[in-house]
Amino acid sequence: EADIYQTPRYLVIGTGKKITLECSQTMGHDKMYWYQQDPGMELHLIHYSYGVNSTEKGDLSSESTVSRIRTEHFPLTLESARPSHTSQYLCASRGTGLYNEQFFGPGTRLTVL
Amino acid sequence: DQQVKQNSPSLSVQEGRISILNCDYTNSMFDYFLWYKKYPAEGPTFLISISSIKDKNEDGRFTVFLNKSAKHLSLHIVPSQPGDSAVYFCAASVISNQFYFGTGTSLTVIP
Repeated sequence: EADIYQTPRYLVIGTGKKITLECSQTMGHDKMYWYQQDPGMELHLIHYSYGVNSTEKGDLSSESTVSRIRTEHFPLTLESARPSHTSQYLCASRGTGLYNEQFFGPGTRLTVL
Repeated sequence: DQQVKQNSPSLSVQEGRISILNCDYTNSMFDYFLWYKKYPAEGPTFLISISSIKDKNEDGRFTVFLNKSAKHLSLHIVPSQPGDSAVYFCAASVISNQFYFGTGTSLTVIP
């Protein structure tokens, strides 16, 4: 069973606030990902990491930043939240090997007022 | 341009019948395909996968079919149950690189 956690599950904040969305996994996976998803839309990759101290931006431009100081931890930070950042944020991890799936966390529903 | 497409936003099926969800892709280099199930306010849950060396993979009530020449895959659920009601996403990747997801199909199984 996948063990990947995200906190908080829901967050409502005002414009201009700095926020950090937490993601942790206990599977020892090197690969971790952040997706943004709106209803009726595909999952958009915004950041990924293939190991400690390795981070890359995904296809969807995002004003967020990420860090990967420990294998198990991949937090996402928004320095100044705006209403356009309102969305669901999904964290995922994947083991090494050619054919294996991504395991997703429960997601964080962010609302910026 | 979207590389993975699910052209049916929604599907309704009677309980006990077959549900068929479809997915098309444009990148012929994709060699690994997955289906995920997602409930509102939750993360996607992995259902079933298939690599490009196969044309069918079965797991209980779920079967995925891959037609490489048509760049098409489908998920069959037999028999459909009310608990299957969710949004289903297909995803594709080139070996171990990033996944590309479709927009999802919302399945409703009517009791």
